[in-house]
Amino acid sequence: GAVVSQHPSRVICKSGTSVKIECRSLDFQATTMFWYRQFPKQSLMLMATSNEGSKATYEQGVEKDKFLINHASLTLSTLTVTSAHPEDSSFYICSALGTSGGSTDTQYFGPGTRLTVL
Amino acid sequence: AQSVSQHNHHVILSEAASLELGCNYSYGGTVNLFWYVQYPGQHLQLLLKYFSGDPLVKGIKGFEAEFIKSKFSFNLRKPSVQWSDTAEYFCAVKTSGTYKYIFGTGTRLKVLA
Repeated sequence: GAVVSQHPSRVICKSGTSVKIECRSLDFQATTMFWYRQFPKQSLMLMATSNEGSKATYEQGVEKDKFLINHASLTLSTLTVTSAHPEDSSFYICSALGTSGGSTDTQYFGPGTRLTVL
Repeated sequence: AQSVSQHNHHVILSEAASLELGCNYSYGGTVNLFWYVQYPGQHLQLLLKYFSGDPLVKGIKGFEAEFIKSKFSFNLRKPSVQWSDTAEYFCAVKTSGTYKYIFGTGTRLKVLA
């Protein structure tokens, strides 16, 4: 149980184009999902919190107009990198909050998406 | 600001050696604590978590961790590592009132066969 998928797993795009990454919770509903960025040999950096039916909450320093997040259903959140530049190349990871009530919420992670911007 | 420190960035062990990876956090309130593992080319998987109760938590694959509140620590242990434990290990902390995790920088473990 608690499986999270991401699509695509790898994407290469030209500078200036937009790329959409999907994150799905396969066997549970997730009102809250998270988007992280992981740089080589570094930890995960939280970019934003995605809430179903409402606007995402972005961390300080993350451009909300560049990284568009849509959480249209209880099982799907999307991250769109708009007007991508080479410095946006990174590994993007999503997670979904599995809720069984109270304080037992745990994040379940997707396999990540490797974005390369040429 | 809250932070999570993993002091060992790289650890190399021989098979059957004992493992202890350090994790310290800076936050004075109630915390939930997690250890995740990332095998090469795979996604993060939950090893174990602590929310309340017995501070010694047992997880999957023979791992355990001990929450020592006075030391703000949540060290990961395994009595005898295997080659298949080669991976990167991340400690994460969730503070009360938020669902957000703060991750440590990770520890790369290499187990020699």
